[in-house]
Amino acid sequence: AQSVTQPDIHITVSEGASLELRCNYSYGATPYLFWYVQSPGQGLQLLLKYFSGDTLVQGIKGFEAEFKRSQSSFNLRKPSVHWSDAAEYFCAVVEQAGTALIFGKGTTLSVSS
Amino acid sequence: DAGVIQSPRHEVTEMGQEVTLRCKPISGHNSLFWYRQTMMRGLELLIYFNNNVPIDDSGMPEDRFSAKMPNASFSTLKIQPSEPRDSAVYFCASSFRLAYNEQFFGPGTRLTVL
Repeated sequence: AQSVTQPDIHITVSEGASLELRCNYSYGATPYLFWYVQSPGQGLQLLLKYFSGDTLVQGIKGFEAEFKRSQSSFNLRKPSVHWSDAAEYFCAVVEQAGTALIFGKGTTLSVSS
Repeated sequence: DAGVIQSPRHEVTEMGQEVTLRCKPISGHNSLFWYRQTMMRGLELLIYFNNNVPIDDSGMPEDRFSAKMPNASFSTLKIQPSEPRDSAVYFCASSFRLAYNEQFFGPGTRLTVL
């Protein structure tokens, strides 16, 4: 069955430190890949997406993600975390165009001062 | 653009009552999605429409749930009768084209069934 795994339920990072959130998917082909962020009490906002081409994609708010086919991963990174980055982050995939997103369970990011 | 609009933002009702959640997608978008979010199950896709036609409703939990999209600018999700286990945040999202799958989410409706 199609699945998206975010191994870390909760991560705490010091403000100014780097961040990496993990995402793994189980598909045979290269899916379309997304990262969304959800601030408390808000809907989800798209951070970045990967369809094809350069495997390192840049997103909003200083985030980037790298697609690694050999590892079936699409990890999200940020070089220096700000307190306002505290939120829940969701990885999502689409196996092929025309079908719906499948979301991971999410990773909650806390930022300590 | 105002973004995806959902109403009400909060709904508290008693078990057995009918609940109707409403969504107005972004103008020009032709795909609409309904999700449910709970602590236990995370974010679940309930149903999605393309050009006002339901494409996949396999995520609708049971017959108590129904969704309609009478036109391109309005959709409803109805629960009748409601049960306490339906308590969740319900999100509506829309996208310009289903093929691109870049979805824009509304703020959600927090439903509490007592």
